Amino acid sequence: GAGVSQSPSNKVTEKGKDVELRCDPISGHTALYWYRQSLGQGLEFLIYFQGNSAPDKSGLPSDRFSAERTGGSVSTLTIQRTQQEDSAVYLCASSRLKPGTEAFFGQGTRLTVV
Amino acid sequence: RKEVEQDPGPFNVPEGATVAFNCTYSNSASQSFFWYRQDCRKEPKLLMSVYSSGNEDGRFTAQLNRASQYISLLIRDSKLSDSATYLCVVAHRGYNKLIFGAGTRLAVHP
Repeated sequence: GAGVSQSPSNKVTEKGKDVELRCDPISGHTALYWYRQSLGQGLEFLIYFQGNSAPDKSGLPSDRFSAERTGGSVSTLTIQRTQQEDSAVYLCASSRLKPGTEAFFGQGTRLTVV
Repeated sequence: RKEVEQDPGPFNVPEGATVAFNCTYSNSASQSFFWYRQDCRKEPKLLMSVYSSGNEDGRFTAQLNRASQYISLLIRDSKLSDSATYLCVVAHRGYNKLIFGAGTRLAVHP
């Protein structure tokens, strides 16, 4: 597609359930980022996939969070045993790997844990 | 201390005003600098890259001061449509992970 695509756009889940969020980056973009944004707050870095190198997972808040990127394209962010504090907008972005290049964001997945 | 710091605002200015935002970064290995704009309940979008010599794009001027490790954004002749949150973004030398500031909120009123 023309832009970064995320699905679902909205997700309501019960506390304790697992959720999977999907990101389809722009074709040819080898760098992929996940951020989350709580209401009225800034972007919190979660994980960064950089081509074929090991991902930078330094932002994942707990071991309930994991992400993978299959075939260097689509990425899935999984949150296990969701908690109410996980409620946020989860944003995915992609860019070319070259430093200094622009990152393009998807419209995000709004996750609500009830 | 956060790696990228911004005044959260809000900056409330009338149409036509000139407004400036500053952003400081703590890591001297920072190499690439950007300003992104985020409208309410929307995703961030690139406003402009920031170059060492400073750069201008219409009403917007970005400056970089490496010695003091800060970046600025100047908006001249503010429009109502400029109302948004402005995010300062840095990336380290040779590594494109983007580090976002928390943003500065601008509200332009008639």
